[in-house]
Amino acid sequence: QQQVKQSPQSLIVQKGGIPIINCAYENTAFDYFPWYQQFPGKGPALLIAIRPDVSEKKEGRFTISFNKSAKQFSLHIMDSQPGDSATYFCAASTSGATNKLIFGTGTLLAVQP
Amino acid sequence: DSGVTQTPKHLITATGQRVTLRCSPRSGDLSVYWYQQSLDQGLQFLIQYYNGEERAKGNILERFSAQQFPDLHSELNLSSLELGDSALYFCASSLLPDTSYEQYFGPGTRLTVT
Repeated sequence: QQQVKQSPQSLIVQKGGIPIINCAYENTAFDYFPWYQQFPGKGPALLIAIRPDVSEKKEGRFTISFNKSAKQFSLHIMDSQPGDSATYFCAASTSGATNKLIFGTGTLLAVQP
Repeated sequence: DSGVTQTPKHLITATGQRVTLRCSPRSGDLSVYWYQQSLDQGLQFLIQYYNGEERAKGNILERFSAQQFPDLHSELNLSSLELGDSALYFCASSLLPDTSYEQYFGPGTRLTVT
C-alpha cells in the first residue's frame, strides 16, 4: 500500500513532442505528490508538486494532472527539448510529523533533436 | 547546486567492512533524510532526523545506522557490508519535516562493495 507505480520505464520523443509519465498509488493518506528530475551523476531535484485539492498544476512547460478518484497523477512536458532528457521520478508523501518520500521506479526520458 | 554536501563522492570497499557517509544539510535546514538508490530497488527512503532526533524509519537494514549531530550534519554508518549494498546513497534536507518544505538532495555517495 506504500508503493507508487510509475510507467513507462523509458520514453523516447522528438523535440517539441509532449512526453507523458504516469503514476498510481493506493494509500489514500498520501496528500503531497512531487515530481523529481535527475540528471546523470546528480541528485534528484524538485520539478513541480501538487496536492489533492487541485486537478492540475502548471509551472512553465511542466504540468501535473491529478485524478483523486482514480488515485493517479501524471506529468506532461510541453514542447520538450533535448535538455529535458533525464530520469523523472514521481513520489508521494503524507503531511504530518515526517516528510518521507515514497518514490516511483523512474522514467528515463530521451528527447531527440 | 542544492547546498547539500556529501562526502565522499565515491567509496570502494570490501565485503564485511564498515563505512561512514557524511552529509551537511543546507544552511538553516533542520531535517535530514537518507535515501538509497539502486538499480533493482529504485530510490528508497532509509531514515530521517529532525534537530538531532530520529523522526522516521524506512527500509533501513539493522546493519545500517545513522545520527544527526548538534551542528546538524548527519552520518550514515554501514557495517558488515555485502555486495548488495552497492548503491548510490543520497542525503536530502529540508527546513522542517513537513511537506510544505522542499527536500533538497545532495550529489550522492556512490558505494561499491567488492
